[in-house]
Amino acid sequence: AQSVTQLGSHVSVSEGALVLLRCNYSSSVPPYLFWYVQYPNQGLQLLLKYTSAATLVKGINGFEAEFKKSETSFHLTKPSAHMSDAAEYFCAVSRSSNYKLTFGKGTLLTVNP
Amino acid sequence: GAVVSQHPSRVICKSGTSVKIECRSLDFQATTMFWYRQFPKKSLMLMATSNEGSKATYEQGVEKDKFLINHASLTLSTLTVTSAHPEDSSFYICSARTGRGTEAFFGQGTRLTVV
Repeated sequence: AQSVTQLGSHVSVSEGALVLLRCNYSSSVPPYLFWYVQYPNQGLQLLLKYTSAATLVKGINGFEAEFKKSETSFHLTKPSAHMSDAAEYFCAVSRSSNYKLTFGKGTLLTVNP
Repeated sequence: GAVVSQHPSRVICKSGTSVKIECRSLDFQATTMFWYRQFPKKSLMLMATSNEGSKATYEQGVEKDKFLINHASLTLSTLTVTSAHPEDSSFYICSARTGRGTEAFFGQGTRLTVV
C-alpha cells in the first residue's frame, strides 16, 4: 500500500519569498513521486517527477524537489514566489511505472504582494 | 505535448437522470485511461482504470453499476453516471497514457452538479 501526506493544507508566502511545500510518502516498493499543480476548475499539470534517477529533480516554472529516502520525503521548493504560483499543489505516488496515482490532500499556496 | 480533452467542462443534470462525460486523447493513442473524482477541499480519488477493449477495473468502494466506464477506442473513454443524485456532484478528472511506463496526462476536468 502507498500513501502521501502533505503537511499544511494552506501555505501563504510573500512574493519573492521561498516556497516550501512538504510531502512525505509511504510505499512498500520503490516509488515514483510527482508534484502536480491545479488552477481553479482545471485539471492537473505535472510540475516534476522522480523516477529513480537523480534525487534532485528540476521541474517547470522554477520548481524543484529532492527525494530523500531516509526521510521518506519529496518536498517541493521554489526560491522566489511569483503571484502566478498561487494554486493548489498535489503530491502523488505510484508504484514504479504503472502511473496509478495516490494523491495527497493538496496544499493551497497563496502569494501575497 | 500530449493533450487530453474532457467534455463537457460543466454539466448540470436533474436527480435521477444519467450523464455521460467524455475523455479524449487528441494527439496520442491512450491504451490506459484513469478516472478520478475530486471532492471539495479533498484530494483526488482514483475511481477506476480502463484499458482499451477490456472491462474497467474499479477501486474498492466504487459502484461499478453506477459509474459505467467504457474505453471502446484508443482515443476515447466515457464515464456515465447513472441515476445521478446530489451526492454525485463532484469534479471528475480523467488521465490517459500510451502504455506502461509512460506518463499519464490529465484532462481539464468536468464539474458535475446534480440538482
